[in-house]
Amino acid sequence: KAGVTQTPRYLIKTRGQQVTLSCSPISGHRSVSWYQQTPGQGLQFLFEYFSETQRNKGNFPGRFSGRQFSNSRSEMNVSTLELGDSALYLCASSPVPGAYEQYFGPGTRLTVT
Amino acid sequence: AQKVTQAQTEISVVEKEDVTLDCVYETRDTTYYLFWYKQPPSGELVFLIRRNSFDEQNEISGRYSWNFQKSTSSFNFTITASQVVDSAVYFCALTNTNAGKSTFGDGTTLTVKP
Repeated sequence: KAGVTQTPRYLIKTRGQQVTLSCSPISGHRSVSWYQQTPGQGLQFLFEYFSETQRNKGNFPGRFSGRQFSNSRSEMNVSTLELGDSALYLCASSPVPGAYEQYFGPGTRLTVT
Repeated sequence: AQKVTQAQTEISVVEKEDVTLDCVYETRDTTYYLFWYKQPPSGELVFLIRRNSFDEQNEISGRYSWNFQKSTSSFNFTITASQVVDSAVYFCALTNTNAGKSTFGDGTTLTVKP
C-alpha cells in the first residue's frame, strides 16, 4: 500500500501570500488530520476531517482552513501568511478517527520570508 | 482538556545502555488511547504502539517495552540495550476516542552514542 503523500514537499512564500498544501491518505483511510511542527511548539493539532466533515479544530486563527474531498484527499490553506507560519506541516491518516494509530506523511516544509 | 507531558527534553546514552522515556498525561475522558511515535532524523513519524485506557498490561516488543499505569497517568517507554539507530525524537500522544482529536507531547530527543 502506498503511504501518505504530501505535496509540495518544500515551499517558500512571502508574507501576505496564501498557500495550499495537499495530502493524499492511505487508500481506504477516511480520517485525515493536520499538524504544525515547529522547534519551539512541538506538534500542534490543526484540524481533523472525516467523511468530508471537519470534526475537530485546534487553537489556530481563522487564516488556517482545510477541506476534505469525497476521495478522502485533503487540502489545507493558510491565507495572509506570517513569518511565524514557517513550519513543517504534517498530514496523518487513519481508517477512522480516534482508536487507530495515525500514519504520517513526510510533511511540507513551508518557509515564509 | 487533554495534556501530554514529556518532561525529558533530551536524553543522551551510550550504546547498549537501557533508557526510559517518560510520558504523563491528563484527560477527563474514561475512554482514550495512548500512542508512542518515533521521528528519526529523516523526519517521518512512525507509529510504535497503541494502548487503550482499559488495558494496563505491559507490552514488550523486542528491545522495546511499555509500562502503562493508570493510577499515575503514565505511559513510559523503555529501550533495552540501546543502539545508534534508536536515535530519534520520540513522541507520546493521547487520543480521545469519540472526538478523534490527538494531543502530542513535546517529544524527547534521544541520542545514542557509539
